[in-house]
Amino acid sequence: AQKITQTQPGMFVQEKEAVTLDCTYDTSDQSYGLFWYKQPSSGEMIFLIYQGSYDEQNATEGRYSLNFQKARKSANLVISASQLGDSAMYFCAMREGHSNDYKLSFGAGTTVTVRA
Amino acid sequence: ETGVTQTPRHLVMGMTNKKSLKCEQHLGHNAMYWYKQSAKKPLELMFVYSLEERVENNSVPSRFSPECPNSSHLFLHLHTLQPEDSALYLCASSRNRVSYEQYFGPGTRLTVT
Repeated sequence: AQKITQTQPGMFVQEKEAVTLDCTYDTSDQSYGLFWYKQPSSGEMIFLIYQGSYDEQNATEGRYSLNFQKARKSANLVISASQLGDSAMYFCAMREGHSNDYKLSFGAGTTVTVRA
Repeated sequence: ETGVTQTPRHLVMGMTNKKSLKCEQHLGHNAMYWYKQSAKKPLELMFVYSLEERVENNSVPSRFSPECPNSSHLFLHLHTLQPEDSALYLCASSRNRVSYEQYFGPGTRLTVT
């Protein structure tokens, strides 16, 4: 079964506007971590933000914030004030709290295109 | 400048060739990873090394052979590949195997003809 689901294959957003990227996850573990990565056309994966399952506050990093809704098992990424350089592929990932704790499960990704 | 480098960035090889992908991390990390990213598929973990010891082989065919001579270097040796092996191969490292943040290299775009 798919552990991470990203239902939006592609999105367009106007420069300076906010965009929300959806991510839902499936786990029976109580302890887990959720991540968002950005992959520009150059190929490298850039870590953006992390949310632990026990964190009470939603994670924020600059213009990135994670809307964590534990009961709904969703971890949406919000990018505020979009910039042209935000055009990239975005991946949601999860690490579950069992023995294979180094394994990240990735979603299929969402392509974001920022328009001037 | 990224702390994880990969060479070559692009590679075209025939099915009978033998080639190697190289990854080097300058972050003092103890765990390194190989991932495969195919078109329209989620990133797939291939191998994990922790302190130079392989701790995971995610059912990868034997035509892919990893090598980790020290904690800073990771290789992926390729031989008799198939066209479906064409993909972006990403290397990553983390402080240790339980660290939540993995740092990725730029990847090697491999095309098998």
